[in-house]
Amino acid sequence: NAGVTQTPKFQVLKTGQSMTLQCAQDMNHEYMSWYRQDPGMGLRLIHYSVGAGITDQGEVPNGYNVSRSTTEDFPLRLLSAAPSQTSVYFCASSYSVSVGVNYGYTFGSGTRLTVV
Amino acid sequence: TQLLEQSPQFLSIQEGENLTVYCNSSSVFSSLQWYRQEPGEGPVLLVTVVTGGEVKKLKRLTFQFGDARKDSSLHITAAQPGDTGLYLCAGAMSTGNQFYFGTGTSLTVIP
Repeated sequence: NAGVTQTPKFQVLKTGQSMTLQCAQDMNHEYMSWYRQDPGMGLRLIHYSVGAGITDQGEVPNGYNVSRSTTEDFPLRLLSAAPSQTSVYFCASSYSVSVGVNYGYTFGSGTRLTVV
Repeated sequence: TQLLEQSPQFLSIQEGENLTVYCNSSSVFSSLQWYRQEPGEGPVLLVTVVTGGEVKKLKRLTFQFGDARKDSSLHITAAQPGDTGLYLCAGAMSTGNQFYFGTGTSLTVIP
């Protein structure tokens, strides 16, 4: 089925290590975003992209980088992992906002990251 | 500071009871969405409301957007165990695709 695919599902990193969380969608959505979910905090936006070649920061961008070379892929890079980045990460996509219409997000199933 | 506050944070009720979940903010939103999330999965969209005062129904779920577009509520009639999950509201500001999520309400319906 069409949707958002995230890999890996689980990851354990040591402090200071780097890694890339992968996200791919096959729905031709222009908009893609990364959220982190922590207990009692809801979902917080890390970075987002409104199309290939265009990215911008969300609420909590520090320690993360993104790029958008294709419409389908939107990887999230952790530059130097810290225990504070232990979280569940979700990638989401949607069609871009049209006049008078806001489309809902399609979410991936998440990556559970632990930094020790 | 969270842009959207949800209450209650936790709710445990018996099957067949009614319940209401609230989503409040001091900011005005162009639209608001409700999602349900089950353990180990991503949130799934339930509804989008865009007009102040709008009411939408999805089977036993009733969603309302406040007149001033600063708040919303989700009412479930005759709750069933299958309604168990984390309910999240998300509001979009006047420009862009960015949705800001609430803190979530964890609902448990006991058979």
